[in-house]
Amino acid sequence: AQSVAQPEDQVNVAEGNPLTVKCTYSVSGNPYLFWYVQYPNRGLQFLLKYITGDNLVKGSYGFEAEFNKSQTSFHLKKPSALVSDSALYFCAVRDSNSGYALNFGKGTSLLVTP
Amino acid sequence: SAVISQKPSRDICQRGTSLTIQCQVDSQVTMMFWYRQQPGQSLTLIATANQGSEATYESGFVIDKFPISRPNLTFSTLTVSNMSPEDSSIYLCSVRGGMTGELFFGEGSRLTVL
Repeated sequence: AQSVAQPEDQVNVAEGNPLTVKCTYSVSGNPYLFWYVQYPNRGLQFLLKYITGDNLVKGSYGFEAEFNKSQTSFHLKKPSALVSDSALYFCAVRDSNSGYALNFGKGTSLLVTP
Repeated sequence: SAVISQKPSRDICQRGTSLTIQCQVDSQVTMMFWYRQQPGQSLTLIATANQGSEATYESGFVIDKFPISRPNLTFSTLTVSNMSPEDSSIYLCSVRGGMTGELFFGEGSRLTVL
């Protein structure tokens, strides 16, 4: 079985400050981890992924995520938040032993204030 | 990345009616996935649609309620049958984007059932 948890419903951060959106996962095999962003009335946009290799993954729009196997976490980060980063963020996981469909977390709403 | 077009983008439907959502991809893909996003919720996988075979449905979803067609490698439809207000959701079509398995999504079809 595979699952992903996003413990925060909402994250608030001031523009220019660093942001972190948390994600933890549970899989039986090796994890494939993904972050997506959803703007209002839009579909999901792929941000970044971890498959193997370096634990720090860089993605679109200046976002990065750090894979931590011992803590089973894959937190999304950005050094300096923009107001335009305000959106809904989803973490997703796929087990290397399972099919290709992704299992999504409940989502975290990010609000960046000027 | 694939370009995915969904129709309709939104619709308001009456209880007891059925609506078919179309998903068109700009390239040939083997796997297509249909997800549901209920208001304020995460994404839930409805079914996996492979060309040339019957769709595979997830627990809680049945073919009579959500029949799926996959006539070729670039197109699929999802029908929501005998709709009730509980079916009010965003329905998203997605395709696998490569060997590492990130999914790309259409803009979604927002259905409101009265």
